[in-house]
Amino acid sequence: EPEVTQTPSHQVTQMGQEVILRCVPISNHLYFYWYRQILGQKVEFLVSFYNNEISEKSEIFDDQFSVERPDGSNFTLKIRSTKLEDSAMYFCASTPGTGGSNYGYTFGSGTRLTVV
Amino acid sequence: KNQVEQSPQSLIILEGKNCTLQCNYTVSPFSNLRWYKQDTGRGPVSLTIMTFSENTKSNGRYTATLDADTKQSSLHITASQLSDSASYICVVLGGSTLGRLYFGRGTQLTVWP
Repeated sequence: EPEVTQTPSHQVTQMGQEVILRCVPISNHLYFYWYRQILGQKVEFLVSFYNNEISEKSEIFDDQFSVERPDGSNFTLKIRSTKLEDSAMYFCASTPGTGGSNYGYTFGSGTRLTVV
Repeated sequence: KNQVEQSPQSLIILEGKNCTLQCNYTVSPFSNLRWYKQDTGRGPVSLTIMTFSENTKSNGRYTATLDADTKQSSLHITASQLSDSASYICVVLGGSTLGRLYFGRGTQLTVWP
């Protein structure tokens, strides 16, 4: 069964450093997403991406965040200057069509980011 | 405000027993409602997807219900197994043009032998 692959599985970084989280969505999917889950809290939407541009972003997704699809397979989330409160599990997801069409979201296993 | 609330927060049952998890939502506009299972340290895995017009949907030992009028859903698990121990999350798609997922906090289910 096709999977969404995320790397690394764990990342520890110092406050103020830049991090790039990587995702390989399912190959025939068109819509890509980043979600995050702070320990003990709900999963929260960050951003959706379609046709090489951001479709929607949440209040969390400020200027410190950016996304990119640098080639035909990778989808990355960059945090320019990490803060302690960025520590969370970051999930990448992809769908073949919009969720309104009842397509299933396939989530990766996540990258646990720890900012120290 | 678009929100999804779940109860109970946690639940312990004995292997072989049934249980029902509850979900209330205020997401508008509404596209569909999903139940996910999330094992610790893993990504959520879809169990069911229900649209506005569906009242009940089953997936093996999982049966989800949806009352779009009262904006309530439930997930019933029958004949529980040890491997059912996980967080069960109610997720509603809606609230924008393409739709974002709104997650509940989840019900942490523990199945004891």
